[in-house]
Amino acid sequence: NAGVTQTPKFRILKIGQSMTLQCAQDMNHNYMYWYRQDPGMGLKLIYYSVGAGITDKGEVPNGYNVSRSTTEDFPLRLELAAPSQTSVYFCASSFTNTEAFFGQGTRLTVV
Amino acid sequence: GENVEQHPSTLSVQEGDSAVIKCTYSDSASNYFPWYKQELGKGPQLIIDIRSNVGEKKDQRIAVTLNKTAKHFSLHITETQPEDSAVYFCAASSYNQGGKLIFGQGTELSVKP
Repeated sequence: NAGVTQTPKFRILKIGQSMTLQCAQDMNHNYMYWYRQDPGMGLKLIYYSVGAGITDKGEVPNGYNVSRSTTEDFPLRLELAAPSQTSVYFCASSFTNTEAFFGQGTRLTVV
Repeated sequence: GENVEQHPSTLSVQEGDSAVIKCTYSDSASNYFPWYKQELGKGPQLIIDIRSNVGEKKDQRIAVTLNKTAKHFSLHITETQPEDSAVYFCAASSYNQGGKLIFGQGTELSVKP
């Protein structure tokens, strides 16, 4: 049982490049989330999904896009990377309003 | 939307002492309040949670209290140990708001041996 798996673990992007952060869970959770964590700060919700085909914006959605075509996968897309998107990104999943399980994070640097 | 404030941002205690971290929330519809522990380089892990129909919950050295009227909840760690050193986050969510978790800013707890 792998839980929540995020890839890659580390990535350096140049300004203006695009990339997709992958997230997969094998717990059959309906809820999935993307958070970003800046140094010394809390976790800010970027996007979340309550089930396949349903996504909604969180607190800081600008510059990001998501899709949820299956229950297992919830990729996060950065279209035009900016230095302000340098952060650690965490994916999480849960059943409705219960314990959220987090992945190990993706450390992204935009230069 | 929901806003969660957490204090203090840093907390240093001697081994064996107690530690208390406090959070306030703004949305009276929030009904689920988890606490997460994050060790360096890892994702947050749930340590205890409480729902709005309960005022207090305890699990060994960890307890959480909830005051719905004042909209605040607290984490209490007794008999602290060096391995309790980590960053702790509170969060709040409401089923009516899609169940999304909104986090506080975090507290860096340091337990000195």
